[in-house]
Amino acid sequence: KAGVTQTPRYLIKTRGQQVTLSCSPISGHRSVSWYQQTPGQGLQFLFEYFSETQRNKGNFPGRFSGRQFSNSRSEMNVSTLELGDSALYLCASSLVSPSSYNEQFFGPGTRLTVL
Amino acid sequence: DQQVKQNSPSLSVQEGRISILNCDYTNSMFDYFLWYKKYPAEGPTFLISISSIKDKNEDGRFTVFLNKSAKHLSLHIVPSQPGDSAVYFCAASGTGANSKLTFGKGITLSVRP
Repeated sequence: KAGVTQTPRYLIKTRGQQVTLSCSPISGHRSVSWYQQTPGQGLQFLFEYFSETQRNKGNFPGRFSGRQFSNSRSEMNVSTLELGDSALYLCASSLVSPSSYNEQFFGPGTRLTVL
Repeated sequence: DQQVKQNSPSLSVQEGRISILNCDYTNSMFDYFLWYKKYPAEGPTFLISISSIKDKNEDGRFTVFLNKSAKHLSLHIVPSQPGDSAVYFCAASGTGANSKLTFGKGITLSVRP
């Protein structure tokens, strides 16, 4: 079974631009979560999508948004990029069970550099 | 407010010895605790987990201990190997719709040959 894939792997943008990152979950997984990893803050939760609906949201400004398609693939968008948005963006997918823990499987991440 | 804390940024141990990685949490609602291992340029990979109803879980060289009263968990690696050198993240989660992971900032483990 193929793992979580993220595209692109590396991206360089300039301040003020916008960017769209893509994530394809493991086949059969319906939940997709996004995390930002920076050296000073570790991994921080951005949002989670399940059945095309945002189910959970972290403490990030509205410049960060996402969506999920009917095939469970997800995209996240960052508008008006700032230097501080430079980070590794990780996507994780999981099956969904209402009463038990759902192990999350991570993709390799997209390294975004904002100049 | 950091709900999962890994207070030591790094740890260096000799090959063959025990590595003990510590983690503290503040949210009593967490149901599951996990450890992830991360190499540079790769996503985190799941290592081991423990439910809040247990106090110990063992998988080969890896053992996780949970002390609920102290809100503390630790990962023991015995014996440590050079290939264990990586960043280790402690994470906590609820269940179902509350299953988002809250991570600590990570600890860099270096195992010296």
